[in-house]
Amino acid sequence: AQSVTQPDIHITVSEGASLELRCNYSYGATPYLFWYVQSPGQGLQLLLKYFSGDTLVQGIKGFEAEFKRSQSSFNLRKPSVHWSDAAEYFCAVVILHGSSNTGKLIFGQGTTLQVKP
Amino acid sequence: DGGITQSPKYLFRKEGQNVTLSCEQNLNHDAMYWYRQDPGQGLRLIYYSQIVNDFQKGDIAEGYSVSREKKESFPLTVTSAQKNPTAFYLCASNPGQRISGQFFGPGTRLTVL
Repeated sequence: AQSVTQPDIHITVSEGASLELRCNYSYGATPYLFWYVQSPGQGLQLLLKYFSGDTLVQGIKGFEAEFKRSQSSFNLRKPSVHWSDAAEYFCAVVILHGSSNTGKLIFGQGTTLQVKP
Repeated sequence: DGGITQSPKYLFRKEGQNVTLSCEQNLNHDAMYWYRQDPGQGLRLIYYSQIVNDFQKGDIAEGYSVSREKKESFPLTVTSAQKNPTAFYLCASNPGQRISGQFFGPGTRLTVL
């Protein structure tokens, strides 16, 4: 069955430090992968996505992610974290409906990022 | 500005009552979705609709119902049959013409008293 695992439920980093959030997926076909961010009590905002091609993808707010097929991973990174990055981060894979271009998202459990001053 | 609106932001309901959550989008998107979010469980799909007048059950549809009479609107009714309805509900949409990420609304927090 398709699934997404985010091994770290909670991560704390110091402001200015680098960040890596882990994501592993289980999916038989070529995955379409996403990272979303959610501030408390808010909806989800798309940070970046991977469909094909270059395995290093750039997103908004200075985030990037690297797709590694051999490791079934899609880890999110940021070189220098800002206090405003404190939020919950979700990795997701889309399961397409048949041959259509739409599908449901399978989410990981989320990683809560806390930033220390 | 184009986007997705959900109302109300907070909703309280007594046990045994049905309640309807609103979701409207002006993005001209074909596909719309309802997810439920519980702490530590990520998001789970309740219902989705790929076109007007058509919708499909997601992974946790029991106790919920939807309609899609207009492209812009995809209301969710939480019925009294839903055993544990207190949660954060998120509506999302997707263009449908190409594979892309879903756009999310701000959510509705439902509390059953």
